[in-house]
Amino acid sequence: QQQVKQSPQSLIVQKGGISIINCAYENTAFDYFPWYQQFPGKGPALLIAIRPDVSEKKEGRFTISFNKSAKQFSLHIMDSQPGDSATYFCAAAGPGSYIPTFGRGTSLIVHP
Amino acid sequence: NAGVTQTPKFRVLKTGQSMTLLCAQDMNHEYMYWYRQDPGMGLRLIHYSVGEGTTAKGEVPDGYNVSRLKKQNFLLGLESAAPSQTSVYFCASSYFTYNEQFFGPGTRLTVL
Repeated sequence: QQQVKQSPQSLIVQKGGISIINCAYENTAFDYFPWYQQFPGKGPALLIAIRPDVSEKKEGRFTISFNKSAKQFSLHIMDSQPGDSATYFCAAAGPGSYIPTFGRGTSLIVHP
Repeated sequence: NAGVTQTPKFRVLKTGQSMTLLCAQDMNHEYMYWYRQDPGMGLRLIHYSVGEGTTAKGEVPDGYNVSRLKKQNFLLGLESAAPSQTSVYFCASSYFTYNEQFFGPGTRLTVL
């Protein structure tokens, strides 16, 4: 049973466009939602994280939107750039499951 | 600071052979993790440790053993390698739960 479902599996966007990656979770106790970015041949690195006391968090071109009632959260990349081409993982953790559970990842390609 | 380092970077094994993957971190983190990454499957937790001398099973522990004799090191062992263990292995560490996980560069393992 997947505790964190991520979609789409792959995404192709033109330079300057908006990239949107969605995640849904099952465990209502989850209260920490990080996003990781992984470039080819590298390990993942934390991009941005949110806790459910806010509905949105923005860092530069990257925004997390959080919908607690729907048990969904999403990553928006504004003005997508070729350098954003990477695999993105969402994750979730909380009481009783404090080791983050990762989604299956989204491969993003931004065409110049 | 070197962060999280992994040894070796690449390895090819024959079925039935054994090997140990070494992870080292210099950030004085309490928590350490071993993940495997397979196409379309995301990051799956193999084993983790919440402190020196402790280990615990993750999502996919079968066929692997771990040890954490020193706080800075976390070893992953394969006693009798199988082709199903062909994967990229990532080690990660964090100061505590709900904290950023720092990932190593990965070990690409092929079992023939």
